[in-house]
Amino acid sequence: QVQLQESGPGLVEPSQTLSLTCTVSGGSMSSGRYFWSWIRQTAGKGLEWIGRIYDRGSTNYDPSLESRVTISMDMSRNQFSLNLISVTAADTAVYYCARWSSSGSGNFHFDYWGPGTLVTVSS
Amino acid sequence: EIVMTQSPATLSVSPGERATLSCRASQSVSSNLVWYQQKPGQAPRLLISGASTRATGIPARFSGTGSATEFTLTISSLQSEDFAVYYCQQYNAWPYNFGQGTKVEI
Repeated sequence: QVQLQESGPGLVEPSQTLSLTCTVSGGSMSSGRYFWSWIRQTAGKGLEWIGRIYDRGSTNYDPSLESRVTISMDMSRNQFSLNLISVTAADTAVYYCARWSSSGSGNFHFDYWGPGTLVTVSS
Repeated sequence: EIVMTQSPATLSVSPGERATLSCRASQSVSSNLVWYQQKPGQAPRLLISGASTRATGIPARFSGTGSATEFTLTISSLQSEDFAVYYCQQYNAWPYNFGQGTKVEI
């Protein structure tokens, strides 16, 4: 059974960098079949897909965040990470890591999620 | 980018009743649509992908229909565990946006 777990600081000061790591267990990230993703959720904007990493390092980012976001992966540790620079209170959210996958019939979806971690941006 | 609009924002129903949730895309997404269920304090859970294919373990009372810009999630007979927020998401064009959700409440 694949499991994902987010880790990182729950409090980040404004203008600083938000850094989170997702550890994947029960399966290897190196299979190349999956897109490893970060999503955040706020009461105001709902669910927002921040970006994804796949194919040993290719990435896609939401255009509204692209200038501030970097997603990287460490296959030797079965981890992938999120860095979001120059944060403001608007970046306060529950951050999820998740696996984007295909069912094999051409359908795609998030099939596994971490439990989520609340990150508050405040001084 | 494609905007996903869900309606209604809140749906009040009784156990055993039928619930019909709508999701509209600002442009065609073909059948590239997913439905998720989210309960308080939990991550979203996959219900349906490809607009109409139930995920493994999802009860038959959940069904998805539609294509292009109009989609519907139907819960045929609501059980107590179905009271939650439901989200649609398109994956036809990046960014793969979510709708704002429909809360199904008693």
